[in-house]
Amino acid sequence: AQRVTQPEKLLSVFKGAPVELKCNYSYSGSPELFWYVQYSRQRLQLLLRHISRESIKGFTADLNKGETSFHLKKPFAQEEDSAMYYCALRGGNNRLAFGKGNQVVVIP
Amino acid sequence: EPEVTQTPSHQVTQMGQEVILRCVPISNHLYFYWYRQILGQKVEFLVSFYNNEISEKSEIFDDQFSVERPDGSNFTLKIRSTKLEDSAMYFCASSEDLENIQYFGAGTRLSVL
Repeated sequence: AQRVTQPEKLLSVFKGAPVELKCNYSYSGSPELFWYVQYSRQRLQLLLRHISRESIKGFTADLNKGETSFHLKKPFAQEEDSAMYYCALRGGNNRLAFGKGNQVVVIP
Repeated sequence: EPEVTQTPSHQVTQMGQEVILRCVPISNHLYFYWYRQILGQKVEFLVSFYNNEISEKSEIFDDQFSVERPDGSNFTLKIRSTKLEDSAMYFCASSEDLENIQYFGAGTRLSVL
């Protein structure tokens, strides 16, 4: 079974402060991990995937297979980072398994 | 940039009625998906579709649900006899192939009264 856990529902941070969103997963095989973001009144869109190893909009995420984690980090939050963030896992099949999501509010 | 398009954005229906949710995937994509999100809960996989047939479905996707690609552009989800618990946001997604990322539509909010 594929399972993704995002522990906090709501995260409020001040502009310029670091942001870290936690994601842990459960999967017996070799997973592919993603972070999707949903800005207000917009569609779900891909932010990062672990195989790309890129930094997008200042965000990074490292897959830690030992801790089964894929935490999302940004050193300095911006107001435009306010959004819903979903961690997702793809196992040996097509389907994406999502976490419950984190609502991030960046306070000016 | 090409987008997955879903219509309608909001559908209200009476319990027991049939509904059809419509999606236009990105034109060169070959894999199509439906997900749903009940208010306050996770986005859940329903079904994937490739080469005119279902490639995978979840336990949620029972006999009340069906999918179809009636022509070269549309991909539809039909719920035969809606129940109150079918009220949710339904997302369509498409991808070029199995290993590529899935692009999501804006969703259809289904309200069953």
